[in-house]
Amino acid sequence: NAGVTQTPKFQVLKTGQSMTLQCAQDMNHEYMSWYRQDPGMGLRLIHYSVGAGITDQGEVPNGYNVSRSTTEDFPLRLLSAAPSQTSVYFCASSYSPRTGGAWTDTQYFGPGTRLTVL
Amino acid sequence: GQQVMQIPQYQHVQEGEDFTTYCNSSTTLSNIQWYKQRPGGHPVFLIQLVKSGEVKKQKRLTFQFGEAKKNSSLHITATQTTDVGTYFCAGKGSSNTGKLIFGQGTTLQVKP
Repeated sequence: NAGVTQTPKFQVLKTGQSMTLQCAQDMNHEYMSWYRQDPGMGLRLIHYSVGAGITDQGEVPNGYNVSRSTTEDFPLRLLSAAPSQTSVYFCASSYSPRTGGAWTDTQYFGPGTRLTVL
Repeated sequence: GQQVMQIPQYQHVQEGEDFTTYCNSSTTLSNIQWYKQRPGGHPVFLIQLVKSGEVKKQKRLTFQFGEAKKNSSLHITATQTTDVGTYFCAGKGSSNTGKLIFGQGTTLQVKP
């Protein structure tokens, strides 16, 4: 299994450009999420999906769109890039087996995409 | 909304010293997870705590979940240079949506 893959690894955009960050997982996980990581801010949830066709907003959704047409793929679209979107973006997938009466899950992270917006 | 605060933000220790990072949630959590991110890498799952007052150990690492399920800690005994990295806690609320809220992380530097 490849786990969670992300492309590209690095990207430089000009303000106003649009692009799609790709994320795919081959573990048949229900849940997928996008996070951005900025110095001193930890990992902030952008959007997440609990299954194909279902998405919801996280903490910082503005300026980003997602869709989940298949279980495997969860692309993140930047509609009009801004310098404030310069960050490292991580995609993660998880499942929720029920253990001992409580829901548990583990996030499996991709290697990340380092995005710079000029 | 749910917030997870983590302290300290940075910690420098001499190799062999102990290290502790603390995590506090504004709401009661159904579970809390801990992740480690090596410099230049991605977060990697360490452990999950589910029960009130739970304590788990992984070699030199000890994880605790508070009685009220609103706080947690990670303690490393006798740090080594391989412990260098950023440690994140992540809390999950009561609804099963797969939505985790991460703390800001604690970056550990270990001087040999």
